[in-house]
Amino acid sequence: GQQLNQSPQSMFIQEGEDVSMNCTSSSIFNTWLWYKQDPGEGPVLLIALYKAGELTSNGRLTAQFGITRKDSFLNISASIPSDVGIYFCAGQTMGAQKLVFGQGTRLTINP
Amino acid sequence: DAGVIQSPRHEVTEMGQEVTLRCKPISGHDYLFWYRQTMMRGLELLIYFNNNVPIDDSGMPEDRFSAKMPNASFSTLKIQPSEPRDSAVYFCASSPGFFYGYTFGSGTRLTVV
Repeated sequence: GQQLNQSPQSMFIQEGEDVSMNCTSSSIFNTWLWYKQDPGEGPVLLIALYKAGELTSNGRLTAQFGITRKDSFLNISASIPSDVGIYFCAGQTMGAQKLVFGQGTRLTINP
Repeated sequence: DAGVIQSPRHEVTEMGQEVTLRCKPISGHDYLFWYRQTMMRGLELLIYFNNNVPIDDSGMPEDRFSAKMPNASFSTLKIQPSEPRDSAVYFCASSPGFFYGYTFGSGTRLTVV
């Protein structure tokens, strides 16, 4: 079945640093989504991307829909303690209601 | 809107007992999803409904698992009998349709001892 490879699996950074993570697939997706999960809670949608090449920002977060439609990137600028959590990418193909989720990137920030 | 509401938040049960997890989706969302999350397997889709009808249950691990959606505002996931390997966080999510993403509930942490 479809799989998303998300990397890195974990990141340990200092407060104030920028963060980059990505997601790749062997399949083409028509929608890419990025979620964040805080401890003890469900994932929350951060950014949705609908067009190849699209670059979308949400505050300090910026995500891009890869030109090949097989990858997506998420950047966080000037990280703060509340950015700690697990970030998931998810892809959706045309006509499919199911989302395919990556395995997540666990972000830890040292103050 | 109160979001997707799941109950209970935590459930501890003995092996062999029946467990029922409950979910109230966001009003107006036609799609409802049940996921299971574990460290080893990440987020796994168990089943999803469209307009209260089960569409894809290929992720349901075995016959011990069953899900129902008797109306647009309520769904249950039942495990009978429960086993220790069922211990996980179970999420319910709802969506208004294609390309809108899902809204997840806060999850039910199930521990089977």
